[in-house]
Amino acid sequence: AQKVTQAQTEISVVEKEDVTLDCVYETRDTTYYLFWYKQPPSGELVFLIRRNSFDEQNEISGRYSWNFQKSTSSFNFTITASQVVDSAVYFCALNTGNQFYFGTGTSLTVIP
Amino acid sequence: EPEVTQTPSHQVTQMGQEVILRCVPISNHLYFYWYRQILGQKVEFLVSFYNNEISEKSEIFDDQFSVERPDGSNFTLKIRSTKLEDSAMYFCASSRDSADVTMNTEAFFGQGTRLTVV
Repeated sequence: AQKVTQAQTEISVVEKEDVTLDCVYETRDTTYYLFWYKQPPSGELVFLIRRNSFDEQNEISGRYSWNFQKSTSSFNFTITASQVVDSAVYFCALNTGNQFYFGTGTSLTVIP
Repeated sequence: EPEVTQTPSHQVTQMGQEVILRCVPISNHLYFYWYRQILGQKVEFLVSFYNNEISEKSEIFDDQFSVERPDGSNFTLKIRSTKLEDSAMYFCASSRDSADVTMNTEAFFGQGTRLTVV
């Protein structure tokens, strides 16, 4: 069975702090994709990153970075120097075949 | 930049009424999806659609739900007789290919339709 676990329900940080959002996934498939989406208060899903199961290279995009470790089935997301605009719910998702499996989301609040 | 468009952004309907949620996927995409997010909960898969037929559906997608691609551009989700528990944000998504590492696919989500059943 496929499953995504985001153990952190809510996180609050003060602006400019770094914050890491955890994601642990389960799948028996050897071929899969991992995603992070941002959902701001307006409700839409904003794509952040996709990783395939054969690419464990970490990625940095501006203040965002992702750490994919197959050995621990984790795909963690770090925001450095957080800003108020980063406040949102962040979803980690696993894609195998024709379906996305979403985690329950982590609500991040960045306090000015 | 291409995007998935959903209309309306918010729909209010009375219990028992039929609703149709509309989506215009990205034009060269072949796979289409509907997802649902009940307020404060996670995003849940409803159905995937390829080659004019359903390829996968979840337990949520019962006989009250149907999908259609009526004219080659729109992709619709119909709920025949809405219930209070159908109130949710409904997301449409499309992708060029299925999840295959050789295809470098990515699913694009629309901005969602917030359905409120009263």
